[in-house]
Amino acid sequence: ETGVTQSPTHLIKTRGQQVTLRCSSQSGHNTVSWYQQALGQGPQFIFQYYREEENGRGNFPPRFSGLQFPNYSSELNVNALELDDSALYLCASSPAGGSASYEQYFGPGTRLTVT
Amino acid sequence: AQSVTQLDSQVPVFEEAPVELRCNYSSSVSVYLFWYVQYPNQGLQLLLKYLSGSTLVESINGFEAEFNKSQTSFHLRKPSVHISDTAEYFCAVSSQGAQKLVFGQGTRLTINP
Repeated sequence: ETGVTQSPTHLIKTRGQQVTLRCSSQSGHNTVSWYQQALGQGPQFIFQYYREEENGRGNFPPRFSGLQFPNYSSELNVNALELDDSALYLCASSPAGGSASYEQYFGPGTRLTVT
Repeated sequence: AQSVTQLDSQVPVFEEAPVELRCNYSSSVSVYLFWYVQYPNQGLQLLLKYLSGSTLVESINGFEAEFNKSQTSFHLRKPSVHISDTAEYFCAVSSQGAQKLVFGQGTRLTINP
């Protein structure tokens, strides 16, 4: 069983640029969630995708957007990067149905640095 | 709104000593509770979970946590820690119909030889 994978591992961008982060969900999982983890803090929910539609969103501005593809992989796009966007971005996948759908399994993360 | 409070930001203990990492949550509905562990420069690994049934849940590496509804707590315990347990531990809550996990700020567990 393949776990959640994310790419790239590290990324350095300049303020004002745009970035795309990618995530492949665990085999058999059809729901993907994205989290932002700033240094020294717990992860904060950005949004979730289910059946290629956004299925819940946290307190993040519209310049954070996403996609889910038919194979359940997902992208996180951030426009007009700001210095405060520097963080570890975590993708998590979960299976459909029942109480197990609340279990989220995380990838290794993408470390984004904005200069 | 849900929230999670991890009462200790850092917990230093000696190897083979017992440890308890405290977690309290607030929620107005039925909850699902989780502990995740994060090793340096890595993602989060699910350590254990409470979804329903027995309020005492155990992991394969000796950790356990007990769901206490009256005290709204889900403290993590281990009777004897090892150097390899050194990591950041996060408590998280979700609830029926919610799409997200709400995390605490984390507790850094440091094991001294």
